[in-house]
Amino acid sequence: SQKIEQNSEALNIQEGKTATLTCNYTNYSPAYLQWYRQDPGRGPVFLLLIRENEKEKRKERLKVTFDTTLKQSLFHITASQPADSATYLCALGRDDKIIFGKGTRLHILP
Amino acid sequence: NAGVMQNPRHLVRRRGQEARLRCSPVKGHSHVYWYRQLPEEGLKFMVYLQKENIIDESGMPKERFSAEFPKEGPSILRIQQVVRGDSAAYFCASSPRAGTSTDTQYFGPGTRLTVL
Repeated sequence: SQKIEQNSEALNIQEGKTATLTCNYTNYSPAYLQWYRQDPGRGPVFLLLIRENEKEKRKERLKVTFDTTLKQSLFHITASQPADSATYLCALGRDDKIIFGKGTRLHILP
Repeated sequence: NAGVMQNPRHLVRRRGQEARLRCSPVKGHSHVYWYRQLPEEGLKFMVYLQKENIIDESGMPKERFSAEFPKEGPSILRIQQVVRGDSAAYFCASSPRAGTSTDTQYFGPGTRLTVL
């Protein structure tokens, strides 16, 4: 069955460093991949979308890579700030179907 | 410009009662998605609706659960005869066009359902 794995443990990163989150998947060939941010008690907020024919996407301090051979996406936040602390969700999609990972909790330490 | 609105934000029901969750999409959006999220779990797709039509309900349990998106008014997710296992956060998302590969989904704040 389709499976998405994100860092199961919370990630603690020192302020100013680059945070890197991993999303691995099996038994699936997504046409696109999305990353969302979710704060406690709130709904997810869309951050970035990358398609299967794209290797890398950037938006301000965010960078996403997508390796369909390794079946992996990396999500980077450069110059991290305490305000970046949240849970980050990876989502894979084809057509209108999206599958979400469980998310990785990121703590940026001041 | 209001985003997706969901109400109530918190809902407490006793076993056997009915739960009605409402979702008003972003103005102008005609596509609505419902998801369920259990603690420490990912979002699970339940149903995808367009105005007056259910497009995909493959993630929704066949019994007790139903959804609608009428021509006028909010989308409703209805859970009949709730059980403790229905306790979860239910999120609604909307998009302006079909195809989540081209349009992002805008999520509401969720309704937290607790079944006693």
